[in-house]
Amino acid sequence: EAGVAQSPRYKIIEKRQSVAFWCNPISGHATLYWYQQILGQGPKLLIQFQNNGVVDDSQLPKDRFSAERLKGVDSTLKIQPAKLEDSAVYLCASSLAPQDSYEQYFGPGTRLTVT
Amino acid sequence: AQSVTQLDSQVPVFEEAPVELRCNYSSSVSVYLFWYVQYPNQGLQLLLKYLSGSTLVKGINGFEAEFNKSQTSFHLRKPSVHISDTAEYFCAVSSYNQGGKLIFGQGTELSVKP
Repeated sequence: EAGVAQSPRYKIIEKRQSVAFWCNPISGHATLYWYQQILGQGPKLLIQFQNNGVVDDSQLPKDRFSAERLKGVDSTLKIQPAKLEDSAVYLCASSLAPQDSYEQYFGPGTRLTVT
Repeated sequence: AQSVTQLDSQVPVFEEAPVELRCNYSSSVSVYLFWYVQYPNQGLQLLLKYLSGSTLVKGINGFEAEFNKSQTSFHLRKPSVHISDTAEYFCAVSSYNQGGKLIFGQGTELSVKP
């Protein structure tokens, strides 16, 4: 079974530029999560999708971050414009359903450096 | 609101020694508890989880954890560690009304030395 795929793995941009990350969840997984992991901290949920609808985006900085999950499969997370404090690893995770064994499967992440 | 505190940011230990990584949580409702491991430049992998039932939970790679409701703790243990256990370990909490949302602790870096 293929795992959660993310690209790119690494990205370096200057502040005020824009960037986009892509995630392809495990086939058949209805729930998709984006987490931000700042160096030295645990992951923090940014947004949760159930199929192509948003379940929770309470911690998404909506003035600069946006995310979509068209057709309920893969997803894109965008930052525009980027700030220095956005430097982090962005993790995508998926699960069969929100409360299906509560097991989330994580991708390898995208490491973003904003200079 | 829920929160998780991992009491040690770094734990150095010699190979074949036992180890305990400490985790305390705060929640006003019944909780589900998890331990994840993150190897360098990789995503998180589930080690074990407590949803209900027996308070002693066994996971992969010889790890186990015990849910203690009175002390609001979920400490992770392994009787004998290997070099390959060197990684970052995260404790996380969720509950039935959180829709699967995980709240993570700050992480504990386990460093196993020969």
